Amino acid sequence: KNEVEQSPQNLTAQEGEFITINCSYSVGISALHWLQQHPGGGIVSLFMLSSGKKKHGRLIATINIQEKHSSLHITASHPRDSAVYICAVCPGGTSYGKLTFGQGTILTVHP
Amino acid sequence: GAGVSQTPSNKVTEKGKYVELRCDPISGHTALYWYRQSLGQGPEFLIYFQGTGAADDSGLPNDRFFAVRPEGSVSTLKIQRTERGDSAVYLCASSTPTGELFFGEGSRLTVL
Repeated sequence: KNEVEQSPQNLTAQEGEFITINCSYSVGISALHWLQQHPGGGIVSLFMLSSGKKKHGRLIATINIQEKHSSLHITASHPRDSAVYICAVCPGGTSYGKLTFGQGTILTVHP
Repeated sequence: GAGVSQTPSNKVTEKGKYVELRCDPISGHTALYWYRQSLGQGPEFLIYFQGTGAADDSGLPNDRFFAVRPEGSVSTLKIQRTERGDSAVYLCASSTPTGELFFGEGSRLTVL
């Protein structure tokens, strides 16, 4: 079993739909990252969370430390949101970038 | 530019050859990380530098892999006697003191 599990692995949506991607992890962490990766492109950090909730534009990320679970929500989805979304955790006591990554969720938003 | 720069963007080599991949982090970022992403997989941590020293190299798969950062800025990942299984995208990131990560575009390595 991977230390970081994402669901779903693939997600297809129509433009305007509300999207949720889930991440569960099995280790104690100091922080959790949500990352976005476009085809052929590099990775962009969307959020770094250690508790609670963060919002940036149409993106919302939440984390429940006790349940070892995080969600990424996209409101009013748009075709440009199509990308791979990756959850990554920083195990407690390690450096910020020594991350354990999930497999990623491939999101396709159709117009 | 102001971002993390990686070169080359693409490298094709033959099995057994030596390869160097370069990462130029954001100016002033003392922490630098290398990751490897195989096709269809999430990235995997390789090595972490704090300044000039390798603070954690526990992710390097074997002794064919080595990385340096002699002046605390640019880092080079070196792979000796490349194997087909080394084919992957090699990602570099640097971070702020509070842990905000900035990734490069990656170097795609193909070993024939």
